[in-house]
Amino acid sequence: DVKVTQSSRYLVKRTGEKVFLECVQDMDHENMFWYRQDPGLGLRLIYFSYDVKMKEKGDIPEGYSVSREKKERFSLILESASTNQTSMYLCASSYSEQFFGPGTRLTVL
Amino acid sequence: GNSVTQMEGPVTLSEEAFLTINCTYTATGYPSLFWYVQYPGEGLQLLLKATKADDKGSNKGFEATYRKETTSFHLEKGSVQVSDSAVYFCALSVYNQGGKLIFGQGTELSVKP
Repeated sequence: DVKVTQSSRYLVKRTGEKVFLECVQDMDHENMFWYRQDPGLGLRLIYFSYDVKMKEKGDIPEGYSVSREKKERFSLILESASTNQTSMYLCASSYSEQFFGPGTRLTVL
Repeated sequence: GNSVTQMEGPVTLSEEAFLTINCTYTATGYPSLFWYVQYPGEGLQLLLKATKADDKGSNKGFEATYRKETTSFHLEKGSVQVSDSAVYFCALSVYNQGGKLIFGQGTELSVKP
């Protein structure tokens, strides 16, 4: 069974903290994606990666960075969390079809 | 640019009612079209897809037909169940853009017994 896992389901952080969201897939997919999901806005692409050590900006990359040191792992980093980054974060991986993780609901206080 | 527009929710139906969720798109090139479903507390799952004009995607009683002339991909089900309560997302991907998906804003469906 295909699996995309995310390190936390719920996370509470304070403004200014550095935040790491981890995503791991076991399908040997080359493509991985990070989205944020907000009510009324659907999913918006933050960053994606086609291969190890490669990254591409999505539609809303400001305030985020990513790391892909191994094929199966794609990390989203909030260098200095702000309250407007409170959201649901979804990771996905794909060969042709995208498979999603369960999401991390991040609250920044 | 590429974009997807869905009908606004929430949509509330009684069990066994007919469901339509409208989706229209704007795209350069030849998009593939998708419907994803998100059950409460879960990530998104692919519900169905269509890769070229006039294709019909179907799964779990849901159907959608790729209509190039009206740039639409409306989701339908003849008889909804309480277990269909979820958020539904229409999405597109364009060839040669690495599988990136562009999503609509989502439509929440609530089915009452």
